[in-house]
Amino acid sequence: NAGVTQTPKFQVLKTGQSMTLQCAQDMNHEYMSWYRQDPGMGLRLIHYSVGAGITDQGEVPNGYNVSRSTTEDFPLRLLSAAPSQTSVYFCASSYSGTVDYGYTFGSGTRLTVV
Amino acid sequence: GESVGLHLPTLSVQEGDNSIINCAYSNSASDYFIWYKQESGKGPQFIIDIRSNMDKRQGQRVTVLLNKTVKHLSLQIAATQPGDSAVYFCAENRATNKLIFGTGTLLAVQP
Repeated sequence: NAGVTQTPKFQVLKTGQSMTLQCAQDMNHEYMSWYRQDPGMGLRLIHYSVGAGITDQGEVPNGYNVSRSTTEDFPLRLLSAAPSQTSVYFCASSYSGTVDYGYTFGSGTRLTVV
Repeated sequence: GESVGLHLPTLSVQEGDNSIINCAYSNSASDYFIWYKQESGKGPQFIIDIRSNMDKRQGQRVTVLLNKTVKHLSLQIAATQPGDSAVYFCAENRATNKLIFGTGTLLAVQP
């Protein structure tokens, strides 16, 4: 049972490049979300999904797109990377489509935009 | 906007002592709270949770206290060990499916 798997672990992008951060979970969790973590700050919610085909915005959605075509996968897309998107990105999932059981987090993707 | 917690403070304790990590939240409508532990280079790990209809919940070596009157949450760790060294975050369910995190507290355990 792998839990929540994020790839890649590290990535360097040039300003204006696009990329997709992958997140997959094998726990049949309905709820999935993306957070970013900046130095000295807590995690801020980017986007979340309560089930396949359903996504919604979090606190800081600008510059990011998501889709949820399957229960297992929830990719995060940066269409045109900016230095302000340099951060550590965490994907999380939760049972039953709510936060009530807490989250399981992936190990993170460290993104640097130069 | 509203936020949970303050700037990242540091709590330094001696091994074997009890630790108390505090968190203030701002939304009185929040109904569910969680404490997470994050070790360096890893994702947050669930420690313990509490609902707003409770004021105390105990786990193994950890206790969470919730004071809704002053909107305050605390995490107590008994007999702190070096392996407890990490950043600890409180988080609140502010609205359905939006778990909002505080900035965290760094716990440093001195041997």
